[in-house]
Amino acid sequence: KAGVTQTPRYLIKTRGQQVTLSCSPISGHRSVSWYQQTPGQGLQFLFEYFSETQRNKGNFPGRFSGRQFSNSRSEMNVSTLELGDSALYLCASSVEGRVETQYFGPGTRLLVL
Amino acid sequence: GESVGLHLPTLSVQEGDNSIINCAYSNSASDYFIWYKQESGKGPQFIIDIRSNMDKRQGQRVTVLLNKTVKHLSLQIAATQPGDSAVYFCAEVSSNTGKLIFGQGTTLQVKP
Repeated sequence: KAGVTQTPRYLIKTRGQQVTLSCSPISGHRSVSWYQQTPGQGLQFLFEYFSETQRNKGNFPGRFSGRQFSNSRSEMNVSTLELGDSALYLCASSVEGRVETQYFGPGTRLLVL
Repeated sequence: GESVGLHLPTLSVQEGDNSIINCAYSNSASDYFIWYKQESGKGPQFIIDIRSNMDKRQGQRVTVLLNKTVKHLSLQIAATQPGDSAVYFCAEVSSNTGKLIFGQGTTLQVKP
């Protein structure tokens, strides 16, 4: 069974631009969670989607948004990029959203210049 | 706010030795903890978990110890191998929200 895939793997943007990241969960997994990983703040939860609905949300500004499609694929969008948004964005999927059974993708590394 | 922290940012051990990675957590209401391993260029990988009604759990070459009195969690790796070199994170599952709260991570370096 294929793992969680994320595209693109690397991305360079400039301040003020917006970016969309994509996550394809493991087949049969209906929950997708997104995390931001930075050297300073570590791993922080962004949001979780389950059956196309946002079910949980972390403490991030409204510039960070996401959505989930009927095939469980998910996208996250960051608008008006800031330098501090440079990070590794990780996606994790699970069958029903239980964190103990979630699998992480390799991440998308975003660099904002 | 809630936080889970690790004591040491880097741990260097000799191949074959046992490794102990420590973690302190602040939310005494948390009832579930997970250890993750993250290798370079990869996402975190589940290693082992433990519920708050246990004080020890063993896996293959790994043992997690939970001391609720002092809110301390540790991961013990037996006979550490070069393939164990990675960043290790402890994470707490918030009993209020079900969200994962990660610690800062400890880099384990295994010397041949």
